Amino acid sequence: AQTVTQSQPEMSVQEAETVTLSCTYDTSESDYYLFWYKQPPSRQMILVIRQEAYKQQNATENRFSVNFQKAAKSFSLKISDSQLGDAAMYFCAYRSAGGTSYGKLTFGQGTILTVHP
Amino acid sequence: EAGVTQFPSHSVIEKGQTVTLRCDPISGHDNLYWYRRVMGKEIKFLLHFVKESKQDESGMPNNRFLAERTGGTYSTLKVQPAELEDSGVYFCASSQERGQWRGGEQYFGPGTRLTVT
Repeated sequence: AQTVTQSQPEMSVQEAETVTLSCTYDTSESDYYLFWYKQPPSRQMILVIRQEAYKQQNATENRFSVNFQKAAKSFSLKISDSQLGDAAMYFCAYRSAGGTSYGKLTFGQGTILTVHP
Repeated sequence: EAGVTQFPSHSVIEKGQTVTLRCDPISGHDNLYWYRRVMGKEIKFLLHFVKESKQDESGMPNNRFLAERTGGTYSTLKVQPAELEDSGVYFCASSQERGQWRGGEQYFGPGTRLTVT
């Protein structure tokens, strides 16, 4: 079974600064997807960024980028130029590319990000 | 386009009672998922529907939980009889992946907070 670990229960950052959230995972599969989801205080989770394991290039979405280290099974999220609206709980998630449970997202414990003005 | 909706937003019931949660996915999404987050724990997968069929119900905790998806549209999750440990937030998500693509975004609803007293 796959596991996802977020070792930082809470992080804080000053507005306009950069912060990195950590995520490690464990799997025996070679093909999978990794995601970062954001859950603002209003509770609805939204996708921040996605990475396909077969792609060596790190995914980027505007101010959000990842550092995907497949051999180390590490998938960190970097938020540049942090904004007040980035304050939320961030979840790292794993999804298999095949098999019966291909739809299942396996989540980490979450990291609460606070942005200080 | 309306997002994923869930009803009710909050439910308080006594141990031994029955509760039914409802999820309306985004129109046209064949895939529907249920997840839950018990207090202090990570978000856990419950099951995955493809249209009206259960693709994966490996995360259902026990036979007190019954999920249905009538006609491949909305879904209900019934807990009968409810126990104290069932308290938590139940999330529904939907996605539009078809064919072999498995890396699509799952769109989450706001969740139903269930409190069993």
